[in-house]
Amino acid sequence: DAGVTQSPTHLIKTRGQQVTLRCSPKSGHDTVSWYQQALGQGPQFIFQYYEEEERQRGNFPDRFSGHQFPNYSSELNVNALLLGDSALYLCASSGQGRETQYFGPGTRLLVL
Amino acid sequence: AQRVTQPEKLLSVFKGAPVELKCNYSYSGSPELFWYVQYSRQRLQLLLRHISRESIKGFTADLNKGETSFHLKKPFAQEEDSAMYYCALSGQSSGNTGKLIFGQGTTLQVKP
Repeated sequence: DAGVTQSPTHLIKTRGQQVTLRCSPKSGHDTVSWYQQALGQGPQFIFQYYEEEERQRGNFPDRFSGHQFPNYSSELNVNALLLGDSALYLCASSGQGRETQYFGPGTRLLVL
Repeated sequence: AQRVTQPEKLLSVFKGAPVELKCNYSYSGSPELFWYVQYSRQRLQLLLRHISRESIKGFTADLNKGETSFHLKKPFAQEEDSAMYYCALSGQSSGNTGKLIFGQGTTLQVKP
């Protein structure tokens, strides 16, 4: 089991563009959470997906949206990118939302 | 407000010295507390959680509800303990999905 995987590893975009990040959960996990980690900060919760629906959302604008597929993999979409969206985006998976969360390696997004 | 505070950005100790990484939290309810660790060039991984009451790699942490603290301790630091440590909180209230609230992290540097 490769654990949680994320793609791409790095991404460079310009302001105003849109980006899609992808996550495959650990085998046997059905819940995916997304976090944003700005430089020098701890991860901040964006939202969580379970049974293909957004179950809980953090304090992020509607420009941040997501999706979960029937195979439990997930996408994070960010529209109208701002410079401040530059960060490491982490995906974490767990079983039934309350168990230990396992993190992926992250996607580093740079917005120019 | 739900918050996790790690007052030290950097903690530097010599090999063999005791280590205490501080974590204080604010949460109205019964929280679950975690310590996550990130070694250089590796992903974020769970070190320990308070409900399991385990000792992992010689580290222990006791939840003190009176002082709302969950400090991480190790009696004798090793060079391989050098890493970034994050304290995190998850609520146990109904409807909570296990989202994690992280502190800003403490870099532990163990000198030879």
